[in-house]
Amino acid sequence: GQNIDQPTEMTATEGAIVQINCTYQTSGFNGLFWYQQHAGEAPTFLSYNVLDGLEEKGRFSSFLSRSKGYSYLLLKELQMKDSASYLCAGGGSSASKIIFGSGTRLSIRP
Amino acid sequence: NAGVTQTPKFRILKIGQSMTLQCTQDMNHNYMYWYRQDPGMGLKLIYYSVGAGITDKGEVPNGYNVSRSTTEDFPLRLELAAPSQTSVYFCASSYSRDGGSDTQYFGPGTRLTVL
Repeated sequence: GQNIDQPTEMTATEGAIVQINCTYQTSGFNGLFWYQQHAGEAPTFLSYNVLDGLEEKGRFSSFLSRSKGYSYLLLKELQMKDSASYLCAGGGSSASKIIFGSGTRLSIRP
Repeated sequence: NAGVTQTPKFRILKIGQSMTLQCTQDMNHNYMYWYRQDPGMGLKLIYYSVGAGITDKGEVPNGYNVSRSTTEDFPLRLELAAPSQTSVYFCASSYSRDGGSDTQYFGPGTRLTVL
């Protein structure tokens, strides 16, 4: 089967930059999603990378290397409201092929 | 647009009881999904549907059933509740042309406890 691996927890300081990594088996996935999930709430879409390289959206950027099975989410100018879980998910050729990682719980300290 | 709505928000069931979790979307999305999320874990796909009248199993379908009689509604049925089904259930929808590469929009979730 396909595995999605990401760190369980990370801590960062308000105003700083943090990079959340995600690795996966290269077969079966067409691209990588990143979702944000605040405690007790539903996941919300952040980004989808289907091509190699970095895509920037304001304070958030996402990177993909398909040959290496590697993605990261980069958060800049961290704010307290960025404290949340960040879910990496592999998108495949059919709806049943979307596989979610366990999520990285990011805590921001003042 | 209300997006994806789910009812109820919370429910406590006794072992062996049954219930239906409701999910409705008003975005005219063809794909709909049911996931469960256990504490500290990612989302596991239970069932999905690519359109009215068509459903298929995901990764963890045992103990659940679904139906899709309309584009808008995708209810999830638990027939004989077990403690292992204690979880948060999320319904999602997407407008999909090629299957697994489209943004999913999630409902607020149903927190289910089976005692």
